[in-house]
Amino acid sequence: DSGVTQTPKHLITATGQRVTLRCSPRSGDLSVYWYQQSLDQGLQFLIQYYNGEERAKGNILERFSAQQFPDLHSELNLSSLELGDSALYFCASSPGTGGVDTQYFGPGTRLTVL
Amino acid sequence: GDSVTQMEGPVTLSEEAFLTINCTYTATGYPSLFWYVQYPGEGLQLLLKATKADDKGSNKGFEATYRKETTSFHLEKGSVQVSDSAVYFCALRTNFGNEKLTFGTGTRLTIIP
Repeated sequence: DSGVTQTPKHLITATGQRVTLRCSPRSGDLSVYWYQQSLDQGLQFLIQYYNGEERAKGNILERFSAQQFPDLHSELNLSSLELGDSALYFCASSPGTGGVDTQYFGPGTRLTVL
Repeated sequence: GDSVTQMEGPVTLSEEAFLTINCTYTATGYPSLFWYVQYPGEGLQLLLKATKADDKGSNKGFEATYRKETTSFHLEKGSVQVSDSAVYFCALRTNFGNEKLTFGTGTRLTIIP
């Protein structure tokens, strides 16, 4: 158990809908990262938050957004969903922002868009 | 940009065989290097890491050495078990700027009894 929790574990929805994925980092970790794992794209970095502020952006679509709250949990919002958004979404956390910090991953949320 | 190239899978070995999964990288500066493992139906778990050249990461019988001269971080284990069946991801993270992890494509390993 990494200490990172993600809810829900599975999510099935229809095209055009909007969903919210939730992540609670390990106790004391200030950085939260979101990654998408799909068959065609592999594991791709989406976005990072550090202590409530957006720190880095990766291959995140404009239909997707995220935020980190004062209690440090984070939410990833996916809107106008398309079939191609079906994937495993992982959240990871680390203590700070240093490159040597280890990122610990949650169990993931499997999103299926029908 | 940063990239990680991993040995293509899938890899199938018999129990107690020697394992090598090749990983090479391209990065600016001096990245930290990681191996993560994903067991069926689970998230990614850190297996081992190395943060500077010539460092050796090790865990659960797995080892990998950070080779700056060959830009490699190959994963090895002397005697694999059925329980090692999983997908293995090599990853790097630069020590400045964007702190994201850049992953390889993953190598699926199956161990046959």
